[in-house]
Amino acid sequence: GNSVTQMEGPVTLSEEAFLTINCTYTATGYPSLFWYVQYPGEGLQLLLKATKADDKGSNKGFEATYRKETTSFHLEKGSVQVSDSAVYFCALGSENTGNQFYFGTGTSLTVIP
Amino acid sequence: GAVVSQHPSWVICKSGTSVKIECRSLDFQATTMFWYRQFPKQSLMLMATSNEGSKATYEQGVEKDKFLINHASLTLSTLTVTSAHPEDSSFYICSATLAGGSGTQYFGPGTRLTVL
Repeated sequence: GNSVTQMEGPVTLSEEAFLTINCTYTATGYPSLFWYVQYPGEGLQLLLKATKADDKGSNKGFEATYRKETTSFHLEKGSVQVSDSAVYFCALGSENTGNQFYFGTGTSLTVIP
Repeated sequence: GAVVSQHPSWVICKSGTSVKIECRSLDFQATTMFWYRQFPKQSLMLMATSNEGSKATYEQGVEKDKFLINHASLTLSTLTVTSAHPEDSSFYICSATLAGGSGTQYFGPGTRLTVL
C-alpha cells in the first residue's frame, strides 16, 4: 500500500541554520511526491514537488530530491529564516491512485532569531 | 494560477444547526475535489472525494448522511455539516486537482467551524 513516514517534530532552529526534514514513503506504482507548507490558521500551500525518480523539486530556497533507491524525499534548506516557521507536510499521490493523497503527520518548524 | 477558495473562512453555529461550506476553483476546472478535516496539531484526514456530477466517495468512518457533499459543477463543491454538534468543531480544508496536473492538489485556505 501507500504511506508516508515523516520526521516528527517539533524542530527549533536558529536563523540561518541548515534544515533537513526527513520523509520516506512506500508506494505501489510510480507516485509523485510533494511538500506542502501550512502557516498558522491557513490551508496548505504547495512548496515543491517531484514527479519521477531523481527529479529535484525546489522553491524559495527549499529543495527535495525524489530518491527511488532509498524511497525518500527529504526536505532541505541551507539557511532558514524566521518566516519559514510553519508546519511542513510530505505527501504522496498520483493520478493512478485517483489523485488521492497520503500525508505524513507534519513537522512543526520554529525558527528563532 | 490554480487558486482554490473557501467560504466562509470561519463560522460559529449552535448545536443542531446545519452549516454549508463552499469550495471553488477560481481559475481552473477541477476534475476532482477532496474534503479534509484537520484537528489541532494533527495531519489532514481525508473525508471524501468528489467528482463533478457523481456521488462522493466517503472514507471509512465518515458519515455520509452527516457530511453532505455536492459537486454541482467543475468549479464548485459544497460540504454541508448537518445537525452539527460540538465534536464536529474542526478545521475543514478542501482541495482540487486539474486534468493533466500530475496529481497535484491545490488547497483552499480552510474553514474553521466552531459548534457551540
